Amino acid sequence: ETGVTQTPRHLVMGMTNKKSLKCEQHLGHNAMYWYKQSAKKPLELMFVYSLEERVENNSVPSRFSPECPNSSHLFLHLHTLQPEDSALYLCASSQDGGRAGETQYFGPGTRLLVL
Amino acid sequence: EDQVTQSPEALRLQEGESSSLNCSYTVSGLRGLFWYRQDPGKGPEFLFTLYSAGEEKEKERLKATLTKKESFLHITAPKPEDSATYLCAVQAMNYGGSQGNLIFGKGTKLSVKP
Repeated sequence: ETGVTQTPRHLVMGMTNKKSLKCEQHLGHNAMYWYKQSAKKPLELMFVYSLEERVENNSVPSRFSPECPNSSHLFLHLHTLQPEDSALYLCASSQDGGRAGETQYFGPGTRLLVL
Repeated sequence: EDQVTQSPEALRLQEGESSSLNCSYTVSGLRGLFWYRQDPGKGPEFLFTLYSAGEEKEKERLKATLTKKESFLHITAPKPEDSATYLCAVQAMNYGGSQGNLIFGKGTKLSVKP
């Protein structure tokens, strides 16, 4: 595997379910990100982790819970979601997470549908 | 407030018909401007980073330029495989939070017909 991978690629869940999204980066980076991409809206940053510590949470509802056990893996735990949470969830990584002009590399995303 | 606006929202071109996409930005201080390409159902693919006004970068049929207020992505003699959504993002001087954060525009959906 190369780059940034995400599983599952597609997920359908009911509002009472609990599920988790997984992201893995094979680039040796130290920072990882979760973004939400909804139709007709710009990518929205949800969480940032640098060296496994959360450095930013952009006022995301508590029904989204991130976990970063090491610099290569990132999870997004989902529970009691709402239909408006249906979107493409993208994971990204970058070398350090704070340097000027640092490029973020994205995974293929998980398409989530909440019924 | 830091903001990124892309225009047009959608652009249809004939194969070989050159054009430009626009990304206007207002930020407290620019640390970098990024262009990405996104195909349907996939994650954004990195194209370019520009750091200062006057800078230009090229890759195959694409050329990105930067001024103090906007960036252009010029597409020369496009082919159908250039069809995608092109995203612009800026990295701003954000003293209140992570300085690595990207602020994205909504994107321009490009369709190139043979």
